[in-house]
Amino acid sequence: NAGVMQNPRHLVRRRGQEARLRCSPMKGHSHVYWYRQLPEEGLKFMVYLQKENIIDESGMPKERFSAEFPKEGPSILRIQQVVRGDSAAYFCASSPSDSNQPQHFGDGTRLSIL
Amino acid sequence: KNQVEQSPQSLIILEGKNCTLQCNYTVSPFSNLRWYKQDTGRGPVSLTIMTFSENTKSNGRYTATLDADTKQSSLHITASQLSDSASYICVVTHKAAGNKLTFGGGTRVLVKP
Repeated sequence: NAGVMQNPRHLVRRRGQEARLRCSPMKGHSHVYWYRQLPEEGLKFMVYLQKENIIDESGMPKERFSAEFPKEGPSILRIQQVVRGDSAAYFCASSPSDSNQPQHFGDGTRLSIL
Repeated sequence: KNQVEQSPQSLIILEGKNCTLQCNYTVSPFSNLRWYKQDTGRGPVSLTIMTFSENTKSNGRYTATLDADTKQSSLHITASQLSDSASYICVVTHKAAGNKLTFGGGTRVLVKP
């Protein structure tokens, strides 16, 4: 009965490299959400996906960021050509289809850009 | 603009005492309001979830209230314990935007022995 699993927990990249963050939702959950938390700030919505579909990406920067949730395997948040400002904690959450069910969060990936 | 504002930003209380955290929101239309607890270095964990028609919900020593008319919610912690030290986040679901959540900035609670 594993919860939402995110890996890696910590990721260090140099400016210009690519960062890939993975999220495996809870069993039976088909909805995945990605959030970003900057130091000393609240969580900010980035993107909402269901299997093979992006439902809402209004919180995601238009450039360098992409997300996917394939039919098989984890959801991936990909950041290309990282910059210092990308340093943050990235959280993934999952829920079943009912919007009145709580979203269950993973413990996040802390991304540090050198 | 859909916003969620929390107060105070931080709070120090003595073990065994009670405290109340406040949340004001402007998100409309509103689907539900949740309170989450976030320990340092961990993801948020759901404490309570209330729909428009509910005005109170308890989870152990945590009791949340909701006044949908004034768009205010509170989280009351009874007989605080050291393990209650965490950030408490008020989160409102925007009904017209799927399951998108709007997060408050959180209240940091430190419980001292």
